[in-house]
Amino acid sequence: AQTVTQSQPEMSVQEAETVTLSCTYDTSESDYYLFWYKQPPSRQMILVIRQEAYKQQNATENRFSVNFQKAAKSFSLKISDSQLGDAAMYFCAFTSSGSARQLTFGSGTQLTVLP
Amino acid sequence: EAQVTQNPRYLITVTGKKLTVTCSQNMNHEYMSWYRQDPGLGLRQIYYSMNVEVTDKGDVPEGYKVSRKEKRNFPLILESPSPNQTSLYFCASGINRGHTGELFFGEGSRLTVL
Repeated sequence: AQTVTQSQPEMSVQEAETVTLSCTYDTSESDYYLFWYKQPPSRQMILVIRQEAYKQQNATENRFSVNFQKAAKSFSLKISDSQLGDAAMYFCAFTSSGSARQLTFGSGTQLTVLP
Repeated sequence: EAQVTQNPRYLITVTGKKLTVTCSQNMNHEYMSWYRQDPGLGLRQIYYSMNVEVTDKGDVPEGYKVSRKEKRNFPLILESPSPNQTSLYFCASGINRGHTGELFFGEGSRLTVL
């Protein structure tokens, strides 16, 4: 079974600064996807970024980028130039590329952005 | 607009009173799933459906039922709710063939069982 671990229940960052959220996972599979989802106070689950395990290049979406270390099974999220709207709960998630389609989530990191 | 719609968004009920949370998607997705979110535990899968008339248990299925009679709808049924089912529930959908792992989520249903 896959597990996803987020060891930082809470993080804070000053507006315009950079913050990195950590995520590790455990799997025996070689082909899979990793995600970061954002959950603002509205509770909506918003996909921030996706990484395919077979791609060595780290995914980037505007101010959001990941550091994917496949051998170490690590998948951290870097938020640059943090904005007040980035304040949210962030979930790391894993799914295999097979047919099961189940997303396995970490416990979440609550990010506070300080003005 | 492509979306997953859940109803009700908020519900307070009492122990043992049967309830149904509806979920509907307009993206013609084959795959649908229910998750519950609890503090410190993230989201955990309750049930999922790969297609019409095909459902299977997730990690925490006890106390829940589902059905998939139509492609667009995937209701979650609590036959006899108990306080430990107080939670935030999410429905999600996605494609099967050629999927990239992404799921589309509804806005969540906050359920309180007294």
